[in-house]
Amino acid sequence: NAGVTQTPKFRVLKTGQSMTLLCAQDMNHEYMYWYRQDPGMGLRLIHYSVGEGTTAKGEVPDGYNVSRLKKQNFLLGLESAAPSQTSVYFCASSYVLAGWADTQYFGPGTRLTVL
Amino acid sequence: GENVEQHPSTLSVQEGDSAVIKCTYSDSASNYFPWYKQELGKRPQLIIDIRSNVGEKKDQRIAVTLNKTAKHFSLHITETQPEDSAVYFCAAISPGYSTLTFGKGTMLLVSP
Repeated sequence: NAGVTQTPKFRVLKTGQSMTLLCAQDMNHEYMYWYRQDPGMGLRLIHYSVGEGTTAKGEVPDGYNVSRLKKQNFLLGLESAAPSQTSVYFCASSYVLAGWADTQYFGPGTRLTVL
Repeated sequence: GENVEQHPSTLSVQEGDSAVIKCTYSDSASNYFPWYKQELGKRPQLIIDIRSNVGEKKDQRIAVTLNKTAKHFSLHITETQPEDSAVYFCAAISPGYSTLTFGKGTMLLVSP
């Protein structure tokens, strides 16, 4: 049982390049989330999904797109990377309890640098 | 929506002392309050949580208390050790919502 995994662990991009971050979970969780964490800052929600084929915007969605084609995977895309997107990205998943989200479990993070 | 405020932002204690981190929330319907610990360079990990039908929960040296009337909940760490040094995040969720609302974190430094 691997829990929540993220690929890649590190990545360096040049401004304008694109990339996709992959999150996978093997806990059969309905809900999945993408956060970014900047130095000295808390967790800011980018996008989330409440089920296969659904996505929704979080607090800071601009410049990112997501897809949830399979229940166990949640992809985060950067179409044209900017230096402001340099950050650590965390994926998380949670089960549903009595109709709403419960405990979130986090992946190990992806450290992205945009030059 | 929900708003969670966390204090203090930084807390320094001597090894063996107790540490208390407090969070307040705005939505009186919120019913689930987890606490996460994030060590440097690591992922946030759940250390304890409490639901609105319980006033206090303990797990060895850590405890969480909930005051629904005042809309605040606190993390208590007793007999602190250097390995307790980390950033701690509180969070809250309201019924029917799909996302947790996190506090901004408290950096706890435990000096030997």
